[in-house]
Amino acid sequence: DQQVKQNSPSLSVQEGRISILNCDYTNSMFDYFLWYKKYPAEGPTFLISISSIKDKNEDGRFTVFLNKSAKHLSLHIVPSQPGDSAVYFCAASDSGTYKYIFGTGTRLKVLA
Amino acid sequence: DAGITQSPRHKVTETGTPVTLRCHQTENHRYMYWYRQDPGHGLRLIHYSYGVKDTDKGEVSDGYSVSRSKTEDFLLTLESATSSQTSVYFCAISESAEYEQYFGPGTRLTVT
Repeated sequence: DQQVKQNSPSLSVQEGRISILNCDYTNSMFDYFLWYKKYPAEGPTFLISISSIKDKNEDGRFTVFLNKSAKHLSLHIVPSQPGDSAVYFCAASDSGTYKYIFGTGTRLKVLA
Repeated sequence: DAGITQSPRHKVTETGTPVTLRCHQTENHRYMYWYRQDPGHGLRLIHYSYGVKDTDKGEVSDGYSVSRSKTEDFLLTLESATSSQTSVYFCAISESAEYEQYFGPGTRLTVT
């Protein structure tokens, strides 16, 4: 049973436009969320986090939004650049265990 | 980049043989984790450690054991490798359980 779902396996966006990557979760106890980017043959790289006390967190071109009532979070990348082409994973945990559950990933392709 | 190395980076082994993967960190972080990445599953936690000699199971721990005798080293052992353990294995470290995790470059293991 997948507790963290990334329902779009892939996404293509034009350079300069906004990329929106979505993540849904089922466990209402999850209260801390991470986004990672992964290039082929490399380990995942941490991008941005958000806790359940916030509904938005920004870091440069990356913004994460959290909608707790819908159990949904999204990562916005503006503007998208070709170097953003990678697989993006969301992960969620609860503050009781801090064991992260990862989604299956979304492959983003930014077209020049 | 966090100082995390994994060895070996690639390994091919036969069914039934023991295999040990090593994760080494230079950051003096308390928490260390082993994940496996498989198509359609994202990253799944195998075992983690919250200190020297302190370890706990993750969601896919069957067939794996771990040891941590020094802060900087976390070993993952497959006592008797099976083809279902063919995967890419990632080590991660974290300063504290609730903080983001930083990943190593991965080990690609093939069990024939």
